[in-house]
Amino acid sequence: GIQVEQSPPDLILQEGANSTLRCNFSDSVNNLQWFHQNPWGQLINLFYIPSGTKQNGRLSATTVATERYSLLYISSSQTTDSGVYFCAVEPTWWTGANSKLTFGKGITLSVRP
Amino acid sequence: DAGITQSPRYKITETGRQVTLMCHQTWSHSYMFWYRQDLGHGLRLIYYSAAADITDKGEVPDGYVVSRSKTENFPLTLESATRSQTSVYFCASSESGAGVRSDNEQFFGPGTRLTVL
Repeated sequence: GIQVEQSPPDLILQEGANSTLRCNFSDSVNNLQWFHQNPWGQLINLFYIPSGTKQNGRLSATTVATERYSLLYISSSQTTDSGVYFCAVEPTWWTGANSKLTFGKGITLSVRP
Repeated sequence: DAGITQSPRYKITETGRQVTLMCHQTWSHSYMFWYRQDLGHGLRLIYYSAAADITDKGEVPDGYVVSRSKTENFPLTLESATRSQTSVYFCASSESGAGVRSDNEQFFGPGTRLTVL
């Protein structure tokens, strides 16, 4: 199956700092999503981005599909950004009635005041 | 409320008991999914459904049963709970399935934390 690797596994930031989270995947994809799992366990959709660039407030994401990676940028980090960030992908060869997201192991972000 | 809801949010049960986790979505999404999240394994797909009365196995289906008689509901049943099924269970939905860009974004429910003693 498709492999998804996220880096770094852990990240500690001071409030106000910027950061870049990376997701590498081993095959071409039809779907790539970034999620934030907050300290209460809720999975929050950040971006649906199988290719291109999107921005939402202090967050932005870029997926370079031809090179099989995606980057999540967090600017001016806040303590509420703490949690685990997951990248999840669905390969293009997964066709028909099926649909399956494969998740990376996540990046644990701690933002200190 | 609009969206995707799960019940119960927390459940403690004993080994051997039957447990049903409920999932309800108000978007009329065709696709629904059950995942479990465990330390060291991340999120793994248990079962998914492409439409009412159409279900299929995911990566870790053993010990679980699903049904989907209505588009909006997708219950997950543990027929005889085991300690290895202690986990956080997430339900998700999407408008379409594989190969249909922009409609296959998955949205997740709040999760159910299940403990099997």
